[in-house]
Amino acid sequence: GQNIDQPTEMTATEGAIVQINCTYQTSGFNGLFWYQQHAGEAPTFLSYNVLDGLEEKGRFSSFLSRSKGYSYLLLKELQMKDSASYLCAVTDSNYQLIWGAGTKLIIKP
Amino acid sequence: DGGITQSPKYLFRKEGQNVTLSCEQNLNHDAMYWYRQDPGQGLRLIYYSQIVNDFQKGDIAEGYSVSREKKESFPLTVTSAQKNPTAFYLCASSIGAGSGANVLTFGAGSRLTVL
Repeated sequence: GQNIDQPTEMTATEGAIVQINCTYQTSGFNGLFWYQQHAGEAPTFLSYNVLDGLEEKGRFSSFLSRSKGYSYLLLKELQMKDSASYLCAVTDSNYQLIWGAGTKLIIKP
Repeated sequence: DGGITQSPKYLFRKEGQNVTLSCEQNLNHDAMYWYRQDPGQGLRLIYYSQIVNDFQKGDIAEGYSVSREKKESFPLTVTSAQKNPTAFYLCASSIGAGSGANVLTFGAGSRLTVL
């Protein structure tokens, strides 16, 4: 079966750095997405990786290793507004999106 | 501003009733999707449509129905046959489908509670 694993919850301190991991086992691979979702709101797109390596976008970076079936989202200079759930999703060989359950990130002052 | 509008935001339903959730987009996107979100689970695809007057079942289509009569609109009906309909429903759209790089734009969601 197809599976995406993420930690359920993480806690970090304002101003610090946090890394949210995502491992996947899917039928084929056509890209990996990270979305941010604040409680009760819609998910919003953060990043897309299809080749190995690091993609940097301001305070957020996303890394992909296709051989290891592994990605991480790196958040720097954490702010209170970064408290949210972070969803990892993979596009499989049929271009269907497979979603992880999300990681709830709690930022403490 | 372009976006996706879902309504209602909150909906209460008695058992045995059908309800319809509205989803309208003005992004000129071809593809539209309905997802269900439950605590502790990933988003699950209910139905999707790549073109007007055509739609396909997702992973959990039983107890749901959709229509796509206009490009802008993709309403979802939750029928009385859906055994556990209480959930957060998300509508999304993308420029197209069949690509690994399709970024989804989501509506704000509709929270359905069955009493």
